Amino acid sequence: QVQLVESGGGVVQPGRSLRLSCAASGFTFNSNGMYWVRQAPGKGLEWVALIWYDGSNEYYADSVRGRFTISRDNSKNTLYLQMNSLRVEDTAVYYCAREKGDSGYYPDYWGQGTLVTVSS
Amino acid sequence: QSVLTQPPSVSAAPGQKVTMSCSGTSSNIEHNYVSWYQQFPGTAPKLLIYDNNKRPSGIPDRFSGSKSGTSATLGITGLQTGDEADYYCGTWDTSRSAWVFGGGTKLTVL
Repeated sequence: QVQLVESGGGVVQPGRSLRLSCAASGFTFNSNGMYWVRQAPGKGLEWVALIWYDGSNEYYADSVRGRFTISRDNSKNTLYLQMNSLRVEDTAVYYCAREKGDSGYYPDYWGQGTLVTVSS
Repeated sequence: QSVLTQPPSVSAAPGQKVTMSCSGTSSNIEHNYVSWYQQFPGTAPKLLIYDNNKRPSGIPDRFSGSKSGTSATLGITGLQTGDEADYYCGTWDTSRSAWVFGGGTKLTVL
């Protein structure tokens, strides 16, 4: 079965960096795009970034463009999110999700999330 | 403010039917497929509906989706207390080159 396991969250000071990882199993990782989606405490879902199955294209939310970088290592079945210049407003649970394509493309399976807290 | 607009809350009695809306624009809902997600507190979202009206394996047919123009709707029949959750719509926004979510609707089963 599809499994996505995020790691790398924690408490970090504003302006510092953090790298999240998402270990994937149960499907052919190099066949699917992957998302990062976050959820601030008590708030709704916010899409962060998308990377194509082969890493050839990346898309970012305006709120993180230029600070965050999504990447993947298909040899390790792992997705990453490099987060630089972190701000207090980046505090959230970060989920990775698999992209599934039928008529349209959409996130289907989600990981359990990892909490990032940006605080001085 | 979310790009897609959802009512903050809806409520209905057990056994009844409820619908919740998701309003967008021509750059997102009108020309792209909509998916819906269910989220219980402290847990990850779960896919309920994809491609506007299709249900993944394991999702009961009490859940349905539809789309017309720049709006989409999630319907739930035979409401159960276990359906109390937050529901999010999502789609691709072509002009933004971004995936967008609605702000979410909290369902209360009275």
